[in-house]
Amino acid sequence: EIVMTQSPATLSVSPGERATLSCRASQSVTNNLAWYQQKLGQAPRLLIYGASTRATDIPGRFSGSGFGTEFTLTIASLHSEDFAVYYCQQYNEWPGTFGQGTKLEIK
Amino acid sequence: QITLNESGPTLVKPTQTLTLTCTFSGFALSASGVGVGWIRQPPGKALEWLALIFWDDDKRYNPSLESRLTISRDTSNDQVVLTMTNMDPVDTATYYCAHSGGWYSWYFDVWGRGTLVSVST
Repeated sequence: EIVMTQSPATLSVSPGERATLSCRASQSVTNNLAWYQQKLGQAPRLLIYGASTRATDIPGRFSGSGFGTEFTLTIASLHSEDFAVYYCQQYNEWPGTFGQGTKLEIK
Repeated sequence: QITLNESGPTLVKPTQTLTLTCTFSGFALSASGVGVGWIRQPPGKALEWLALIFWDDDKRYNPSLESRLTISRDTSNDQVVLTMTNMDPVDTATYYCAHSGGWYSWYFDVWGRGTLVSVST
């Protein structure tokens, strides 16, 4: 099973600033990597798939990059509604494992 | 517009079998490349893959839980059913069903709201 490791566990950033979240795979997943946002009490929402393709209706301030084992989610200028937990998920091999999440909190 | 809705018991006893139903609309599970999966999340913890069924009845299970899981579909009623046997308190979680995002893929672009299942005597 591929292990996905996210860092940091918690990230404190001020509104308007840039946030960079990392995700590492224990073996190559090529570009079969998705990012989700989850707000408290809500279901996850797909942000990015194919490592860098924004999902439908996702604002342009969200961007993804990476290939193989190292991936990054960048939020260019944080809005108040962006403070949430973010998960990466690989879907290169079954089962499609998730990372443990990064909590993005207001500084 | 794709929507999914989970239903089932909110409380089960240890050793019982859990049966959850996902009722969906806005797509056909018979369409090529389409899949519906189940994912769970214990309170305060991360997401965990459970099972997925594709349009061609291909079924995939999380190896760590495979012996306890069965996924099936009812295409005439636009439903996917998940059963989990021998429930334990550690299985307490919110259970989500979701629509696969790509052709024959297992990331998810639309999720249901989830249903919280507690396992307790």
